Amino acid sequence: DVVMTQSPLSLPVTLGQPASISCRSSQSLVYSDGNTYLNWFQQRPGQSPRRLIYNVSNRDSGVPDRFSGSGSGTDFTLKISRVEAEDVGVYYCMQGTDWPPTFGQGTKVEIK
Amino acid sequence: EVQLVESGGGVVQPGGSLRLSCAASGFTFDDYAMHWVRQAPGKGLEWVSLITGDGGGTYYADSVKGRFTISRDNSKNSLYLQMNSLRTEDTALYYCAKGMAARLIDYWGQGTLVTVSS
Repeated sequence: DVVMTQSPLSLPVTLGQPASISCRSSQSLVYSDGNTYLNWFQQRPGQSPRRLIYNVSNRDSGVPDRFSGSGSGTDFTLKISRVEAEDVGVYYCMQGTDWPPTFGQGTKVEIK
Repeated sequence: EVQLVESGGGVVQPGGSLRLSCAASGFTFDDYAMHWVRQAPGKGLEWVSLITGDGGGTYYADSVKGRFTISRDNSKNSLYLQMNSLRTEDTALYYCAKGMAARLIDYWGQGTLVTVSS
């Protein structure tokens, strides 16, 4: 199975400051069709996960532009340019390139 | 608007069975693969199973293979998960999720809680 390793696992951030979450895969996530199947999800306290970013860097409709995704191969990053109170929650990366689909352990973002 | 509504969770004894359902709306159901993903209390997300849009392909995590069966009824826009020989470690919130490209997920339901306890 592809192991997805997120860091850090806990991220205290000051309001208005940037935040960055790393997700590394144990093998390349480039699929045979040339695409890279890596999504980012946000799970606010008490809620279901919500997709923020798909295929590495495509932001979902309605997602604030302070969220951005980047990376290639085995190294990926989710960035929040200026953290707001509503961004508190756990963030997960997920790969769909290889069987079975796998998730990172999650990164808990909290306000300092 | 995509909506996924799970039901069927509850408390069951070890070795027991439970059937989860998911009612889907807001998209052409049989065009998409569907997933079950679970989340143990206070833990992360664990992929459980996937079924292709036509129901012809089913896939399982090793942890549930041989015990769980995923199915769908496209005439009813419904997804199911039959869970047999339940173990305490199967205790979790079970999410129904809509598939997208490759094996990825885009939309999630609100989840249904399964508790396996004597």
